[in-house]
Amino acid sequence: DVKVTQSSRYLVKRTGEKVFLECVQDMDHENMFWYRQDPGLGLRLIYFSYDVKMKEKGDIPEGYSVSREKKERFSLILESASTNQTSMYLCASSSRTDYITEAFFGQGTRLTVV
Amino acid sequence: SQQGEEDPQALSIQEGENATMNCSYKTSINNLQWYRQNSGRGLVHLILIRSNEREKHSGRLRVTLDTSKKSSSLLITASRAADTASYFCATDGLGKGAQKLVFGQGTRLTINP
Repeated sequence: DVKVTQSSRYLVKRTGEKVFLECVQDMDHENMFWYRQDPGLGLRLIYFSYDVKMKEKGDIPEGYSVSREKKERFSLILESASTNQTSMYLCASSSRTDYITEAFFGQGTRLTVV
Repeated sequence: SQQGEEDPQALSIQEGENATMNCSYKTSINNLQWYRQNSGRGLVHLILIRSNEREKHSGRLRVTLDTSKKSSSLLITASRAADTASYFCATDGLGKGAQKLVFGQGTRLTINP
């Protein structure tokens, strides 16, 4: 059974803290994605990676960075957490051919910044 | 900016009725996908339609794609209470954007018993 695992289901952090959200997939997928989901705004792409050490900005990269040192792991980093980063964060992965195939999602991390 | 825009934002129907959701997008694509999200959970892939396809079926799901209008529709026939969820369309891009998967805002579907 294919799996994308996010390290935490719920997380509470203080303003100004450096926050790491971890995502691991066991499908040997090339592509990995980080999204945030807010009511009424749908899923917005923060960053994606199509290979180890490769990353591309999505639509809302400000305030975030990512790391992909190994194929199976894609980390989202909030350099200095702020209250407007309180959100649901979703990680996904997909294989890469000439086009994106089906994406598999983790269960999400609900982050609250206080 | 987001690629896909779903319409309506919310839809409430009686069990057994058909539900239709629409998606419009802005730029050329390789394929379009539909996903379902149950409350507070991750998304689950439903169906993928390639840009050279016009219609695709999977069980009670029927997806159409009109690349000239940059739009797609998802039809769920004979709806059930378990179909209550949010539905999202997602598109990729061409060239350098081919590996970038962008979602719309979603349609919240409620099936009333």
